[in-house]
Amino acid sequence: AQTIHQWPVAEIKAVGSPLSLGCTIKGKSSPNLYWYWQATGGTLQQLFYSITVGQVESVVQLNLSASRPKDDQFILSTEKLLLSHSGFYLCAWSWQYYAEQFFGPGTRLTVL
Amino acid sequence: GEQVEQRPPHLSVPEGDSAVIICTYTDSATAYFYWYKQEPGAGLQLLMSVFSNVDRKEEQGLTVLLNKKDKQLSLNLTAAHPGDSAVYFCAVGFNTGNYKYVFGAGTRLKVIA
Repeated sequence: AQTIHQWPVAEIKAVGSPLSLGCTIKGKSSPNLYWYWQATGGTLQQLFYSITVGQVESVVQLNLSASRPKDDQFILSTEKLLLSHSGFYLCAWSWQYYAEQFFGPGTRLTVL
Repeated sequence: GEQVEQRPPHLSVPEGDSAVIICTYTDSATAYFYWYKQEPGAGLQLLMSVFSNVDRKEEQGLTVLLNKKDKQLSLNLTAAHPGDSAVYFCAVGFNTGNYKYVFGAGTRLKVIA
């Protein structure tokens, strides 16, 4: 069975500080990977997707970047956090183009 | 661009009643439709997936209807119970070649015992 793990569970960071969030998928080779952002009480906004190692496409610009250093790992980062980055970050995977997505437990980010 | 509108934003139903959530999408080579459930502080749980060649799908107390003429997708929870209380999202995979999924705004369902 496939499992998806996100780290950390929660972060409290200062404005202007750097950030790195991670996501790992086990039990599935070459998954499509996605990052989403969810404002408190809001809907999901797709940020990035990756279909293979080293290749990441941006869907919306939020002063964030993403990388896929390994087949099973997806990283979301920024060098300088903004207040508007606060929210819930979700990683997801799918087994093929437009197949159903499976979500990780999420990371709660609070920027002060 | 591709859009998905979801209604109602809030829904309260007595235990045992049905709850219906509706999403309307823009026409854009749409192919895949999904319903998710999110409990507080958690990720999204996939409830059902429906492809565009399906009009109706039933699973474990859930019914999904796809009306392609009106570009409408609905989720019906029959005989809702308090454990169904959560936020529900529809999602559409628009087949435009950019792996884009668009989510509805969500419906906060409360089932009253």
